[in-house]
Amino acid sequence: AILMTQSPSSLSASVGDRVTITCRASQGIRNDLGWYQQKPGKAPEFLIHAASTLQSGVPSRFSGSGSGTDFTLTISSLQPEDFATYYCLQDYDYPWTFGQGTKVEIK
Amino acid sequence: QVQLVESGGGVVQPGRSLRVSCAASGFSFSSYGIHWVRQAPAKGLEWVALISYDGSDKYYADSVKGRFTISRDNSKNTVYLQMNSLRPEDTAVYYCAKSLVDWGQGTLVTVSS
Repeated sequence: AILMTQSPSSLSASVGDRVTITCRASQGIRNDLGWYQQKPGKAPEFLIHAASTLQSGVPSRFSGSGSGTDFTLTISSLQPEDFATYYCLQDYDYPWTFGQGTKVEIK
Repeated sequence: QVQLVESGGGVVQPGRSLRVSCAASGFSFSSYGIHWVRQAPAKGLEWVALISYDGSDKYYADSVKGRFTISRDNSKNTVYLQMNSLRPEDTAVYYCAKSLVDWGQGTLVTVSS
């Protein structure tokens, strides 16, 4: 199975900060990568597919980039509602696999 | 609007079986693949299984292969996850999701003696 490694596992940031989360695949996955946001006690919400395509309704402060093995999720100006855990998911090959998650906390 | 409602969770002893269900509405159910994803307490997300729109293709995580079976009944707009030989490490909230875009609220499965 393809291993997805996210970094950092957690970070502290302030409202208005620029935040970057990385996700590395153990082998090339083209751009077959999605990003999810999850708040405590809630189901995940789909943010980005195909590495960089924003899902309808997702604020433009979220962006994604990357191809092959290295990917990033960027939040350009962190808002109070963005404090959550973020996961990447590769849908290049079965079994699909998630990264271990990155928790974004308030500084 | 899209609605996915999981049911069937509960407490089960190790080695026993349980079937969870996912009832769908608000979209053309027979046109979409449906996934199961689980989340152990205070842990991350784990993709579990996928069934294609017509049930002809099924895929599983290595951790459940041979123990879990995904199926669907398009006449009832429902997907099932049959879980056999359950282990304590299968304890988790089980979510179903349409194309991993729309998700249900989850059902908790606890494997404990």
